[in-house]
Amino acid sequence: DIVMTQSPSSLSVSAGEKVTMSCKSSQSLLNSGNQKNYLAWYQQKPGQPPKLLIYGASTRESGVPDRFTGSGSGTDFTLTISSVQAEDLAVYYCQNDHSYPLTFGAGTKLELK
Amino acid sequence: EVQLQQSGPELVKPGASVKISCKASGYSFTGYFMNWVKQSHGKSLEWIGRINPYNGDTFYNQKFKGKATLTVDKSSSTAHMELLSLTSEDSAVYYCGRNGLYAMDYWGQGTSVTVSS
Repeated sequence: DIVMTQSPSSLSVSAGEKVTMSCKSSQSLLNSGNQKNYLAWYQQKPGQPPKLLIYGASTRESGVPDRFTGSGSGTDFTLTISSVQAEDLAVYYCQNDHSYPLTFGAGTKLELK
Repeated sequence: EVQLQQSGPELVKPGASVKISCKASGYSFTGYFMNWVKQSHGKSLEWIGRINPYNGDTFYNQKFKGKATLTVDKSSSTAHMELLSLTSEDSAVYYCGRNGLYAMDYWGQGTSVTVSS
């Protein structure tokens, strides 16, 4: 199974700050045929289901604010929030969408300082 | 508007089985795989498996083989997951999630399953 390792486990931030969180996979998520990275990012707020933010490592889902940016390739990926808003406080998960079984990271919890 | 409406919370006894449902609307049900994901209290997400509603083909996480059975009813655009021989370890919130072109783009609201005598 592909192991997804997220860091840090939690981040304490102030509104307006830039935030970066990491996701590393134990195997490459790059499909050599189409050169796409099968890595997704989700946001989950308390009592809600996960919400898809980013797929293909860097493509923003429709309706997701452009302050959210995904980057990386192969085994190293990053989610950046350019200017954190109060509504961004949540847990963020990365997901291997490349190989079965699909696997998720343990999450990064974004908290207010 | 795409919607996935899951069945209500379940309280079940150890050793019993439970079947939860996920009714899809707003899109062609047979055109997208449906995933099922487990979230134990305060923990991360575990992929249980997915089903192709078009032909019923299933793909399971080995960890959940024998524990979960995925089916669909095309006539009602509903996906089902049956959980067998329940123990306290199966107490969790279970989500269905549509597989879009890439990743799970729409999710149900979740169904809480509590296993207790």
